[in-house]
Amino acid sequence: SAVISQKPSRDICQRGTSLTIQCQVDSQVTMMFWYRQQPGQSLTLIATANQGSEATYESGFVIDKFPISRPNLTFSTLTVSNMSPEDSSIYLCSVQYHRDRGRETQYFGPGTRLLVL
Amino acid sequence: AQSVAQPEDQVNVAEGNPLTVKCTYSVSGNPYLFWYVQYPNRGLQFLLKYITGDNLVKGSYGFEAEFNKSQTSFHLKKPSALVGDSALYFCAVRAGGNTGFQKLVFGTGTRLLVSP
Repeated sequence: SAVISQKPSRDICQRGTSLTIQCQVDSQVTMMFWYRQQPGQSLTLIATANQGSEATYESGFVIDKFPISRPNLTFSTLTVSNMSPEDSSIYLCSVQYHRDRGRETQYFGPGTRLLVL
Repeated sequence: AQSVAQPEDQVNVAEGNPLTVKCTYSVSGNPYLFWYVQYPNRGLQFLLKYITGDNLVKGSYGFEAEFNKSQTSFHLKKPSALVGDSALYFCAVRAGGNTGFQKLVFGTGTRLLVSP
């Protein structure tokens, strides 16, 4: 399995500000994903971040609101821009290895709990 | 398009009793099926998966799941529940195959409450 860390683990932010969430993986991965889990809800995929290319966003999510960086094969950031209380969620980083064993499995980080006031 | 249904918002079971958390799916082609568990204030932990082969798959913490193609189900089971199993459980499905990226789709989650 993967060892995935996220920073910060939680934060309380003011409306209109931005927060950048970091995701670090213990080994190189091709595909990294960012999910949102709103209170009491399931997981929703925000975007797929592949190294060396632009992130691919799901319907309802745009780059201006959720810019993503993927500078190398072990690291990615998600920025939540111009935050509003509706952005209060858990944001989860996820990875999928492309090797023969376990390649089909996505592993998740511990999440970043964001509260916007 | 893929979809997953977890018909029960919550499952209550007494410690020591068997537990079942239900999941049905819809996908084009062969499914890749997964169960994840989320403990309070934690991320998702991978429990088990079905890709191919034996319909009964065993995973972490004594959990197992049975793939039933005719019923398009992948119910999670454990013979004897523990209080520590109390958590939120998610079923997920992806269309199988190696061509291109297939998104992982999650169910709405089932809260398992194991009473002492």
